[in-house]
Amino acid sequence: KAGVTQTPRYLIKTRGQQVTLSCSPISGHRSVSWYQQTPGQGLQFLFEYFSETQRNKGNFPGRFSGRQFSNSRSEMNVSTLELGDSALYLCASSFSGANTGELFFGEGSRLTVL
Amino acid sequence: QQQVKQSPQSLIVQKGGISIINCAYENTAFDYFPWYQQFPGKGPALLIAIRPDVSEKKEGRFTISFNKSAKQFSLHIMDSQPGDSATYFCAAISSGAGSYQLTFGKGTKLSVIP
Repeated sequence: KAGVTQTPRYLIKTRGQQVTLSCSPISGHRSVSWYQQTPGQGLQFLFEYFSETQRNKGNFPGRFSGRQFSNSRSEMNVSTLELGDSALYLCASSFSGANTGELFFGEGSRLTVL
Repeated sequence: QQQVKQSPQSLIVQKGGISIINCAYENTAFDYFPWYQQFPGKGPALLIAIRPDVSEKKEGRFTISFNKSAKQFSLHIMDSQPGDSATYFCAAISSGAGSYQLTFGKGTKLSVIP
């Protein structure tokens, strides 16, 4: 069974630009959640999508948004990038939802903002 | 306000020794406590989890101890091996599909030396 796939793995952007990250969940999983990982703040929950609907969101500004498609693939978008957005962005898929803690993470997309 | 405090930040243990990582939480609404293991360049993976109705859960060499009154829980790795060298994250989740909280500790980097 294929794992969670995130693309791109690495990307460099400049301040003010926007970025879109993609996540393909494990087949059969309807939940995709996104996380930001930084050395200073650790792992922080961004939001979860379940069957194309945003189910929950963390405490991040509106510049961070996402969506989920009918095939459960999800995208995360960050607009008007700031230096502080440099981080590893992880997505995780789950059969029952992120609130179960049964998360299968991808390897992440490392974003550098210059 | 950090809702889950994890310590120590880093830990060096001799092969065969016991690794102990501690977490403390404040929100009594948390009712599920998973631990994740993350190797360099990989996403976290669910290791073991516990609910507050039990004081201890063991899976192989990994044991979670839970103290509900103190609002603390810890991960014990018995007979630590070099292959256990990774970063470990505790997490706390409040139940509820729509408005749950999912919070992570900041991680403990474990190094097991031969």
